[in-house]
Amino acid sequence: AQKVTQAQTEISVVEKEDVTLDCVYETRDTTYYLFWYKQPPSGELVFLIRRNSFDEQNEISGRYSWNFQKSTSSFNFTITASQVVDSAVYFCALTVSNFGNEKLTFGTGTRLTIIP
Amino acid sequence: NAGVTQTPKFRILKIGQSMTLQCTQDMNHNYMYWYRQDPGMGLKLIYYSVGAGITDKGEVPNGYNVSRSTTEDFPLRLELAAPSQTSVYFCASSFSYGFGGVEGYTFGSGTRLTVV
Repeated sequence: AQKVTQAQTEISVVEKEDVTLDCVYETRDTTYYLFWYKQPPSGELVFLIRRNSFDEQNEISGRYSWNFQKSTSSFNFTITASQVVDSAVYFCALTVSNFGNEKLTFGTGTRLTIIP
Repeated sequence: NAGVTQTPKFRILKIGQSMTLQCTQDMNHNYMYWYRQDPGMGLKLIYYSVGAGITDKGEVPNGYNVSRSTTEDFPLRLELAAPSQTSVYFCASSFSYGFGGVEGYTFGSGTRLTVV
């Protein structure tokens, strides 16, 4: 069975500060995929990134960056120079590449509030 | 390209009533899913389907039924609605290559259901 832990329930930072959201996962499969989704106050789920277990390169997309470390089973998400529009709930999720079992397992989410 | 379309967006049901939440995708994805999100929580899988005519239970299937007669459609049926089914429901789809990977995990905009 898979498990995703987001230990930070809520985080508040002042605008322009950097913030890191933690994600720790558990799986026995060697091939798996990790995701981050953003859920703004409007409620939809916005896809941010997908990584497979064979690609440990860190990724940067504008102010967003992701640090994938298999040694610690972590897939952390950093927002640089945060903005008020970044305020949302962020979910980390995991699925395995095992036919018939590609269900997403979600963490409980981290509510991020950016204070102007 | 509409992606995943869910209807209705909002619904209020009385205890004991029934309804069907509709979900359609136009991306030719083989896998489809129904999740529910309770306030302050992550998403939990209700049912999923790996192809037309094939469905299986997820983590929280009690009180729900599904069918998948076509690749595009995956309706969720609530029989005898109960207050515990008050939640936001998300439909999602993805394409799985079996052991070769998973692509395009896409969510609909959600259905907010209240049972009173």
